[in-house]
Amino acid sequence: SYELTQPLSVSVALGQTARITCGGNNIGSKNVHWYQQKPGQAPVLVIYRDSNRPSGIPERFSGSNSGNTATLTISRAQAGDEADYYCQVWDSSTSYVFGTGTKVTVL
Amino acid sequence: EVQLVESGGGLVQPGGSLRLSCAASGFTFSSYAMHWVRQAPGKGLEYVSAISSNGGSTYYANSVKGRFTISRDNSKNTLYLQMGSLRAEDMAVYYCARAPDPHYGDYGGDYFDYWGQGTLVTVSS
Repeated sequence: SYELTQPLSVSVALGQTARITCGGNNIGSKNVHWYQQKPGQAPVLVIYRDSNRPSGIPERFSGSNSGNTATLTISRAQAGDEADYYCQVWDSSTSYVFGTGTKVTVL
Repeated sequence: EVQLVESGGGLVQPGGSLRLSCAASGFTFSSYAMHWVRQAPGKGLEYVSAISSNGGSTYYANSVKGRFTISRDNSKNTLYLQMGSLRAEDMAVYYCARAPDPHYGDYGGDYFDYWGQGTLVTVSS
């Protein structure tokens, strides 16, 4: 089965840049999507198909994907960006797969 | 505005059954595939099930296959998840989610663009 690995936590200073990685075998050949989940709330799509932002998502959120690692970048981090972030792909053998999740703390 | 509102969660004994509902509004429900995703307390997201827009195709994760049944009533704009033979490991918040593209295969694409707020299922004696 296909697996996605994320760091447990990432800390970023207010106004600086946070990078959250998502590792998977040849993940660069797949479409990667990212969700933000704040405590007690439902996930919200922040990036789809590697680097596309849904309407209403700030330009500070961006994504890239190559080789065995996809990355979600949060520029000019704000206190409101504190949340859990999950990557997700579709795999032909495993169907929809979520990453292990990363807790982002803004210092 | 797209809205998905789950209901039907609650406390159930191991081996018991429960039916979850997801009421949809703000879009043409009958055109979109729908999905269920769950999250155990303090854990990550786990994919559960999918249903095509007309209900003719369904998919289940191995962890629930044979115990859960997904269905929909397009006349009522409602998605369902009938859960049976419930186990402690089924305890979770269950989210319904919409697939983004009515024209992308049976299940509407490879991600989820809108999610409901979730309903909690507790399995305990």
